[in-house]
Amino acid sequence: AQRVTQPEKLLSVFKGAPVELKCNYSYSGSPELFWYVQYSRQRLQLLLRHISRESIKGFTADLNKGETSFHLKKPFAQEEDSAMYYCALLTHSQGGSEKLVFGKGTKLTVNP
Amino acid sequence: SAVISQKPSRDICQRGTSLTIQCQVDSQVTMMFWYRQQPGQSLTLIATANQGSEATYESGFVIDKFPISRPNLTFSTLTVSNMSPEDSSIYLCSVERPGQGNYNEQFFGPGTRLTVL
Repeated sequence: AQRVTQPEKLLSVFKGAPVELKCNYSYSGSPELFWYVQYSRQRLQLLLRHISRESIKGFTADLNKGETSFHLKKPFAQEEDSAMYYCALLTHSQGGSEKLVFGKGTKLTVNP
Repeated sequence: SAVISQKPSRDICQRGTSLTIQCQVDSQVTMMFWYRQQPGQSLTLIATANQGSEATYESGFVIDKFPISRPNLTFSTLTVSNMSPEDSSIYLCSVERPGQGNYNEQFFGPGTRLTVL
């Protein structure tokens, strides 16, 4: 079964503290994973994807196939990081179509 | 990137009625996607709409309930038919376009917040 699990519905940290948003996946194929972010009153947007191996806004995420995880990390959280974060898995059907499967999201609050 | 607009941004509807949501993109795209996000839940793909062909529906979604039109490469509509309170959700339109680096990326509209009484 194709599934993305974000175990934390809510996560609260203080400014300057490290933050880790957890994501685990279940997929029989080769996984392609993403983190999307939705800031207050803004639309959902791509934060980063594991293929590009970039650090965006100080966030990184490493794909760990052994643990089937793609946790999002930032060493020093900022107040502007407060948002809803969604982990997503790109799946491929036998017919060749692609679709994104999303986790339920984690609401991150960074307190001053 | 892609600029995507949706109409209406929100609506409150009576049980048994239907609502058509419009999605307009600022440039031509092959694939458009419709998602639903129920309260406290994840985004769930309803269907993929390609211009010139029938929409492809995901398991649990049927054309009679969620008819989709795709008359051209910049526009699509999703109708939520014979609504019930369980249809209260945010409905999102999405398109796939070249994004960061050389990779395709899904861009999302602002969403339509539907409340069914």
